[in-house]
This record gives sequence, C-alpha cells and structure tokens, in this order.
Amino acid sequence: QSALTQPPSASGSPGQSVTISCTGTSSDVGGYNYVSWFQQHPGKAPKLMIYEVNKRSSGVPDRFSGSRSGNTASLTVSGLQAEDEADYYCNSYADSNNWLFGGGTKLTVL
Amino acid sequence: QVQLQESGPGLLKPSETLSLTCTVSGDSLSDYYWSWVRQPPGKGLEWIGYVYYSGNTNYNPSLKSRVTISVDTSKSQFSLRLSSVTAADTAIYYCARVSTLWEGGRFDPWGQGTLVTVSS
Repeated sequence: QSALTQPPSASGSPGQSVTISCTGTSSDVGGYNYVSWFQQHPGKAPKLMIYEVNKRSSGVPDRFSGSRSGNTASLTVSGLQAEDEADYYCNSYADSNNWLFGGGTKLTVL
Repeated sequence: QVQLQESGPGLLKPSETLSLTCTVSGDSLSDYYWSWVRQPPGKGLEWIGYVYYSGNTNYNPSLKSRVTISVDTSKSQFSLRLSSVTAADTAIYYCARVSTLWEGGRFDPWGQGTLVTVSS
C-alpha cells in the first residue's frame, strides 16, 4: 500500500481560497466514503477537520470544506486566515481494514 | 471529554523493542478502535495499526511482522510493541481513538505524542 499523494505545498493570500488535493485509488479514496482531513500546527498533534469526505468536525469553521471526484479528494479553505497556516494531511480507509495517510501539504498564508 | 496520553521510554538502541502505553481518560474503551500513528521528524503521518476494545487487531502491512497492539480495558490503556527497531523507527508516536465506520471512521481525539529516538 502506498501513501496517498498530496502536493507538498500550497499558498494563498488572506481572504483567498485554496484547494489541496489527495489522490489515491479505487481501493481507498475512490472506493470508500471514509476520507478525512487533519490540520497540524508545528509541535502539535493533528486535529480532525473533515471526515466522511465532506462532514466538518465539531467546532471547525465552515470555511473548511471537503469534496471528492473519482479517486481524488480535495480540501478547500475559503477566506484564508493567518491561523490556517499549517500542515494538512488526508486520510482514507482502504481495502483489508487498513488506513492510509497522505504525505502532507504545507499551507502558507502569504 | 476524552483525553489520551502516551507514555514510555524516549530513547532506544537498535534491535531493542519499543514499548508505549496510551492511557485513556474521560470515557471507556468500549465501541471504539484504538490506534497508533507515527511521524518521523519533519515527515508525514504513518498509520501503524489498531486494536478494537474487544481485542481484535489490524496492522499496517509494512510493519505487521514487528508490531503488536494490545488493550487492557480494566486499566483504560492500550499498548504498542515494535520489535527490532532501527533508526528509521525514530518518530513521534501518537495514539488516537478511531470511531467505527458506522460513526464515520474518525481519528479523534489524539494524544499529544511522544518522541522515540533510536540511536546507539
């Protein structure tokens, strides 16, 4: 099993929108509705932001949204704010009761 | 509010066995999966495996030959053992609660993580 593929970096100016992709296969991202997104600030544990492709975790602002097309899931952050600068990881359920993470994307707010 | 806390040695020598414990407070272990995830310094997250509260387990195929995860519901703890460690096992190790797929398969919450360094 290979890690899910994410771009290493993404950026946007305050107020803009940015989308981060997460590409897998039909055995994980494309085959199950169990894709999550995590935000991780330096030195902190990951925080669940999105689960089941597009459901926001409790307390997560509606600026964060998730979607999926085929084997690629996406996280969109609208109205970028300085505190959104962090690493973002996708995660998917996969065949044989396994779980996969993406390699992570560093989001920079310019 | 459920809280998870990892504990265990922070420094190991190559070939030794890594042993970590995650203590859960604020709720019972019932009806959830309990997972370990690691993150090498400056790198991404890697799922290690999980144990169901009943004791059923599943492991990352790439680590399966070296990993054992167990649960002790009486102590509200679950544990990780990783044998024959090398420098490549140096990482921050996180424990996390995972809901059933029926409940969304959510990795939430997470412990704060503990750094394990493998060095001679």
